[in-house]
Amino acid sequence: KNEVEQSPQNLTAQEGEFITINCSYSVGISALHWLQQHPGGGIVSLFMLSSGKKKHGRLIATINIQEKHSSLHITASHPRDSAVYICAVRSRAAGNKLTFGGGTRVLVKP
Amino acid sequence: NAGVTQTPKFQVLKTGQSMTLQCAQDMNHEYMSWYRQDPGMGLRLIHYSVGAGITDQGEVPNGYNVSRSTTEDFPLRLLSAAPSQTSVYFCASSYSAYTEAFFGQGTRLTVV
Repeated sequence: KNEVEQSPQNLTAQEGEFITINCSYSVGISALHWLQQHPGGGIVSLFMLSSGKKKHGRLIATINIQEKHSSLHITASHPRDSAVYICAVRSRAAGNKLTFGGGTRVLVKP
Repeated sequence: NAGVTQTPKFQVLKTGQSMTLQCAQDMNHEYMSWYRQDPGMGLRLIHYSVGAGITDQGEVPNGYNVSRSTTEDFPLRLLSAAPSQTSVYFCASSYSAYTEAFFGQGTRLTVV
């Protein structure tokens, strides 16, 4: 079982819809990262969280340390949000190396 | 600042050839890592470094070699390329284990 599980694996939404991607992890962590990868493109860091909630534009990331769960929300989704979203955690038990989830492929249709 | 720069972007190798994937960052980051990304496998750590002169193995180190002679550069060497090394390779850096990670644009490698 992977230490970092994301759901759903794939998601299709209509433009303007609210999107939620979930990430669950099984180890104690020092930080959780949300990353974005466009098709054929590089990887961009969206958020780094260790507690609470962060917002950047239409993106909101939350984390519940007790429940070992994080969510990434996209409000008023747009076709340019179509990408793979990857959750990654750092844990001291793993020498502070990043452990990645399998990614969620998001397609936003106009 | 250029961020994290990887070269080349694309490469085709024949089985048995060797090559070096270059990674450079201009942010004075201590932490640098190499990952490979394969369909259905997610990103897996090959090698990492926590500072100049210090490197360590990750999850899938076999067939790869690294060195870190300067803070800026972290090259990844394929010693004798194999088809199983066909993948997309990403270099990443961060100031520390507790700060944001920056990724390069990736190198798509095909070994025939």
